[in-house]
Amino acid sequence: SQKIEQNSEALNIQEGKTATLTCNYTNYSPAYLQWYRQDPGRGPVFLLLIRENEKEKRKERLKVTFDTTLKQSLFHITASQPADSATYLCALSHGSSNTGKLIFGQGTTLQVKP
Amino acid sequence: GAGVSQSPSNKVTEKGKDVELRCDPISGHTALYWYRQSLGQGLEFLIYFQGNSAPDKSGLPSDRFSAERTGGSVSTLTIQRTQQEDSAVYLCASSVAANQPQHFGDGTRLSIL
Repeated sequence: SQKIEQNSEALNIQEGKTATLTCNYTNYSPAYLQWYRQDPGRGPVFLLLIRENEKEKRKERLKVTFDTTLKQSLFHITASQPADSATYLCALSHGSSNTGKLIFGQGTTLQVKP
Repeated sequence: GAGVSQSPSNKVTEKGKDVELRCDPISGHTALYWYRQSLGQGLEFLIYFQGNSAPDKSGLPSDRFSAERTGGSVSTLTIQRTQQEDSAVYLCASSVAANQPQHFGDGTRLSIL
């Protein structure tokens, strides 16, 4: 059956270090993958989108990779700050490349300590 | 401009009652989505509207759930004969087109007593 896995345990890192979050999937062939940030009591906020023919995307301190052979995406936050503390969700497209339907992982909670 | 707006922000109702949740998407966005998030869980896809196409209802958990999108804008999610397991945060999102980033509202927190 189809499955998306994100680190279920919280990730605790020191300010200034690089945080790396993992999203693994099985039995999917997503046309694209997205990462979102969610703060308590708020809706998710879009961060990055990467398509199946792209290996890497960057935006400021954020970097996402997409390995369709390993069926894995890595999400990196460099020079992390306490304000980066939040839950990060990966989401995979489900269906054709024109679909908007996303299937979300459970999320990984990141805590950046000053 | 304004983001996605959802109302009410909180709703408490008795088991067996019907509820309606409203979503005002970002103006001009052709795609609209509903998700459900239970405590400590990820988002569960419910339904997806794209322009004038038939909606993708594949995520609706039972026939007690239905949704409409009138005039390609505002959407209403209706839950009939609510059950305690329906308690969750219901999130709406919109996007300028399918396969583009989704913009979320802050959700309606639904509690069934």
